[in-house]
Amino acid sequence: DGGITQSPKYLFRKEGQNVTLSCEQNLNHDAMYWYRQDPGQGLRLIYYSQIVNDFQKGDIAEGYSVSREKKESFPLTVTSAQKNPTAFYLCASSIDRGITNYGYTFGSGTRLTVV
Amino acid sequence: AQKITQTQPGMFVQEKEAVTLDCTYDTSDQSYGLFWYKQPSSGEMIFLIYQGSYDEQNATEGRYSLNFQKARKSANLVISASQLGDSAMYFCAMRDLNQAGTALIFGKGTTLSVSS
Repeated sequence: DGGITQSPKYLFRKEGQNVTLSCEQNLNHDAMYWYRQDPGQGLRLIYYSQIVNDFQKGDIAEGYSVSREKKESFPLTVTSAQKNPTAFYLCASSIDRGITNYGYTFGSGTRLTVV
Repeated sequence: AQKITQTQPGMFVQEKEAVTLDCTYDTSDQSYGLFWYKQPSSGEMIFLIYQGSYDEQNATEGRYSLNFQKARKSANLVISASQLGDSAMYFCAMRDLNQAGTALIFGKGTTLSVSS
Protein backbone atom coordinates (compact mmCIF):
# COMPACT_ATOMS: atom_id res chain seq x y z
CA ASP A 1 0.00 0.00 0.00
CA GLY A 2 1.13 3.52 -0.73
CA GLY A 3 1.73 5.98 2.02
CA ILE A 4 4.18 8.12 3.95
CA THR A 5 6.56 6.65 6.48
CA GLN A 6 8.13 8.76 9.19
CA SER A 7 10.85 7.42 11.40
CA PRO A 8 11.60 7.17 14.17
CA LYS A 9 8.31 7.50 16.04
CA TYR A 10 10.11 8.79 19.14
CA LEU A 11 13.46 10.56 19.20
CA PHE A 12 15.52 11.92 22.04
CA ARG A 13 18.19 14.54 21.48
CA LYS A 14 20.85 15.86 23.76
CA GLU A 15 21.54 19.57 23.95
CA GLY A 16 23.81 20.70 21.10
CA GLN A 17 23.18 17.69 18.87
CA ASN A 18 21.82 17.66 15.35
CA VAL A 19 19.20 15.04 14.59
CA THR A 20 17.58 13.99 11.33
CA LEU A 21 13.95 12.96 10.95
CA SER A 22 13.16 10.68 8.06
CA CYS A 23 10.18 11.03 5.71
CA GLU A 24 9.66 8.66 2.78
CA GLN A 25 6.65 8.42 0.45
CA ASN A 26 5.77 5.94 -2.29
CA LEU A 27 2.74 7.82 -3.58
CA ASN A 28 4.61 9.47 -6.47
CA HIS A 29 3.64 12.84 -5.03
CA ASP A 30 5.51 15.90 -6.24
CA ALA A 31 5.25 18.12 -3.19
CA MET A 32 6.35 17.37 0.37
CA TYR A 33 6.03 19.37 3.56
CA TRP A 34 7.26 19.49 7.14
CA TYR A 35 5.14 20.84 9.98
CA ARG A 36 5.79 21.31 13.65
CA GLN A 37 3.01 20.90 16.20
CA ASP A 38 3.11 22.31 19.72
CA PRO A 39 0.24 22.17 22.21
CA GLY A 40 -2.22 24.97 21.51
CA GLN A 41 -0.33 26.14 18.42
CA GLY A 42 -1.74 24.03 15.66
CA LEU A 43 0.53 23.03 12.80
CA ARG A 44 3.20 25.45 11.67
CA LEU A 45 5.05 25.09 8.37
CA ILE A 46 8.81 24.55 8.56
CA TYR A 47 9.85 23.78 4.97
CA TYR A 48 8.24 22.53 1.80
CA SER A 49 9.41 21.22 -1.54
CA GLN A 50 7.52 21.23 -4.81
CA ILE A 51 10.13 19.40 -6.85
CA VAL A 52 13.38 17.50 -6.48
CA ASN A 53 16.40 19.66 -5.60
CA ASP A 54 14.22 22.62 -4.69
CA PHE A 55 12.62 23.69 -1.41
CA GLN A 56 11.24 26.80 0.28
CA LYS A 57 11.24 28.07 3.84
CA GLY A 58 8.02 28.11 5.76
CA ASP A 59 7.05 30.27 8.70
CA ILE A 60 9.46 28.76 11.24
CA ALA A 61 12.50 27.55 9.25
CA GLU A 62 15.17 28.91 11.59
CA GLY A 63 17.20 26.11 13.14
CA TYR A 64 16.07 23.52 10.60
CA SER A 65 17.44 22.26 7.29
CA VAL A 66 16.10 19.95 4.59
CA SER A 67 17.16 18.24 1.39
CA ARG A 68 15.20 16.81 -1.54
CA GLU A 69 17.61 14.67 -3.52
CA LYS A 70 14.96 12.11 -4.43
CA LYS A 71 11.26 12.51 -5.12
CA GLU A 72 10.45 9.93 -2.46
CA SER A 73 12.46 11.41 0.39
CA PHE A 74 12.40 14.70 2.31
CA PRO A 75 14.50 14.43 5.50
CA LEU A 76 14.42 17.19 8.11
CA THR A 77 17.48 18.02 10.21
CA VAL A 78 16.92 19.76 13.52
CA THR A 79 20.15 21.60 14.22
CA SER A 80 21.63 22.77 17.49
CA ALA A 81 20.56 26.28 16.47
CA GLN A 82 16.93 25.36 17.11
CA LYS A 83 16.48 26.55 20.69
CA ASN A 84 13.29 24.73 21.54
CA PRO A 85 13.06 21.62 19.38
CA THR A 86 10.82 19.53 21.62
CA ALA A 87 7.66 19.05 19.56
CA PHE A 88 5.66 16.71 17.35
CA TYR A 89 6.82 16.76 13.73
CA LEU A 90 4.56 15.84 10.85
CA CYS A 91 5.56 15.18 7.26
CA ALA A 92 3.03 15.37 4.42
CA SER A 93 2.86 15.08 0.66
CA SER A 94 0.45 16.09 -2.07
CA ILE A 95 -0.06 15.50 -5.78
CA ASP A 96 -0.06 19.14 -6.78
CA ARG A 97 -0.34 19.16 -10.53
CA GLY A 98 -1.92 22.56 -11.02
CA ILE A 99 -5.18 23.39 -9.31
CA THR A 100 -6.25 20.54 -7.15
CA ASN A 101 -8.69 19.84 -4.40
CA TYR A 102 -6.43 17.22 -2.93
CA GLY A 103 -5.35 17.80 0.59
CA TYR A 104 -2.34 16.14 2.02
CA THR A 105 -1.38 12.63 2.97
CA PHE A 106 0.30 12.75 6.35
CA GLY A 107 2.82 10.53 8.01
CA SER A 108 2.26 9.27 11.55
CA GLY A 109 4.67 11.80 13.03
CA THR A 110 7.88 11.88 15.06
CA ARG A 111 7.88 13.08 18.64
CA LEU A 112 11.19 14.77 19.41
CA THR A 113 12.28 15.41 22.98
CA VAL A 114 15.38 17.21 24.16
CA VAL A 115 16.94 15.56 27.20
CA ALA B 1 -1.28 36.64 3.97
CA GLN B 2 -3.69 33.86 4.70
CA LYS B 3 -4.94 33.19 8.21
CA ILE B 4 -7.21 30.62 9.82
CA THR B 5 -8.95 31.30 13.13
CA GLN B 6 -10.56 28.67 15.30
CA THR B 7 -11.98 30.37 18.36
CA GLN B 8 -13.13 27.29 20.29
CA PRO B 9 -10.25 25.63 22.15
CA GLY B 10 -12.60 22.92 23.40
CA MET B 11 -16.10 21.69 22.74
CA PHE B 12 -18.20 19.17 24.63
CA VAL B 13 -21.12 17.22 23.19
CA GLN B 14 -23.16 14.16 24.07
CA GLU B 15 -23.44 11.13 21.85
CA LYS B 16 -25.98 11.42 19.02
CA GLU B 17 -26.06 15.19 19.22
CA ALA B 18 -24.88 17.46 16.42
CA VAL B 19 -21.96 19.84 16.95
CA THR B 20 -20.58 22.77 14.98
CA LEU B 21 -16.89 23.62 15.01
CA ASP B 22 -16.17 27.19 13.97
CA CYS B 23 -13.60 28.32 11.43
CA THR B 24 -13.07 31.75 9.95
CA TYR B 25 -10.43 32.59 7.40
CA ASP B 26 -8.76 35.58 5.87
CA THR B 27 -7.34 35.68 2.36
CA SER B 28 -7.05 38.01 -0.59
CA ASP B 29 -7.02 35.09 -3.03
CA GLN B 30 -10.06 34.46 -5.21
CA SER B 31 -9.41 30.76 -5.68
CA TYR B 32 -8.76 28.80 -2.53
CA GLY B 33 -9.58 25.53 -0.87
CA LEU B 34 -10.76 24.87 2.67
CA PHE B 35 -10.07 21.60 4.46
CA TRP B 36 -10.94 19.97 7.75
CA TYR B 37 -8.72 17.36 9.39
CA LYS B 38 -9.24 15.18 12.44
CA GLN B 39 -6.34 14.28 14.73
CA PRO B 40 -6.99 11.52 17.30
CA SER B 41 -4.71 11.10 20.28
CA SER B 42 -2.49 8.82 18.17
CA GLY B 43 -1.35 11.90 16.25
CA GLU B 44 -2.31 10.86 12.73
CA MET B 45 -4.05 13.46 10.57
CA ILE B 46 -7.25 12.27 8.91
CA PHE B 47 -8.74 14.25 6.02
CA LEU B 48 -12.48 14.83 6.53
CA ILE B 49 -13.89 17.25 4.00
CA TYR B 50 -13.00 19.82 1.33
CA GLN B 51 -14.71 22.99 0.05
CA GLY B 52 -13.52 25.00 -2.94
CA SER B 53 -14.11 28.75 -3.00
CA TYR B 54 -16.09 28.49 -6.22
CA ASP B 55 -18.20 25.53 -5.15
CA GLU B 56 -21.82 26.61 -5.06
CA GLN B 57 -23.02 23.87 -2.77
CA ASN B 58 -21.82 23.07 0.72
CA ALA B 59 -19.65 19.97 0.87
CA THR B 60 -20.90 16.86 2.62
CA GLU B 61 -19.15 13.59 3.48
CA GLY B 62 -21.25 11.17 5.46
CA ARG B 63 -21.85 12.68 8.91
CA TYR B 64 -19.65 15.67 8.10
CA SER B 65 -20.87 18.79 6.35
CA LEU B 66 -19.23 22.12 5.79
CA ASN B 67 -21.29 25.26 6.31
CA PHE B 68 -19.55 27.58 3.85
CA GLN B 69 -20.46 31.27 4.03
CA LYS B 70 -18.14 32.99 1.62
CA ALA B 71 -19.22 36.57 2.35
CA ARG B 72 -18.57 36.04 6.05
CA LYS B 73 -15.40 34.06 5.34
CA SER B 74 -16.47 31.17 7.49
CA ALA B 75 -16.22 27.43 6.92
CA ASN B 76 -17.76 25.71 9.92
CA LEU B 77 -17.68 21.93 10.27
CA VAL B 78 -20.92 20.27 11.32
CA ILE B 79 -20.79 16.75 12.72
CA SER B 80 -24.18 15.12 12.94
CA ALA B 81 -25.03 12.32 15.36
CA SER B 82 -21.76 12.49 17.32
CA GLN B 83 -20.04 9.25 18.28
CA LEU B 84 -17.53 8.51 21.02
CA GLY B 85 -14.92 7.96 18.31
CA ASP B 86 -15.32 11.55 17.20
CA SER B 87 -13.39 12.69 20.28
CA ALA B 88 -10.25 14.26 18.81
CA MET B 89 -8.60 17.51 17.79
CA TYR B 90 -10.05 19.12 14.67
CA PHE B 91 -8.14 21.46 12.40
CA CYS B 92 -9.39 23.84 9.75
CA ALA B 93 -6.92 24.62 6.96
CA MET B 94 -6.75 26.47 3.68
CA ARG B 95 -4.52 26.80 0.64
CA ASP B 96 -4.24 29.02 -2.40
CA LEU B 97 -5.33 27.13 -5.51
CA ASN B 98 -3.79 29.53 -8.01
CA GLN B 99 -0.34 28.06 -7.63
CA ALA B 100 0.74 24.46 -7.57
CA GLY B 101 2.50 23.28 -4.46
CA THR B 102 1.29 25.96 -2.08
CA ALA B 103 1.26 24.90 1.53
CA LEU B 104 -1.74 24.37 3.75
CA ILE B 105 -2.17 26.96 6.49
CA PHE B 106 -3.73 25.54 9.66
CA GLY B 107 -5.73 26.98 12.51
CA LYS B 108 -4.86 26.19 16.12
CA GLY B 109 -7.49 23.51 16.37
CA THR B 110 -10.52 22.63 18.50
CA THR B 111 -10.58 19.69 20.89
CA LEU B 112 -13.90 17.86 20.71
CA SER B 113 -14.96 15.63 23.58
CA VAL B 114 -17.95 13.34 23.10
CA SER B 115 -19.54 11.78 26.18
CA SER B 116 -22.04 8.97 26.54
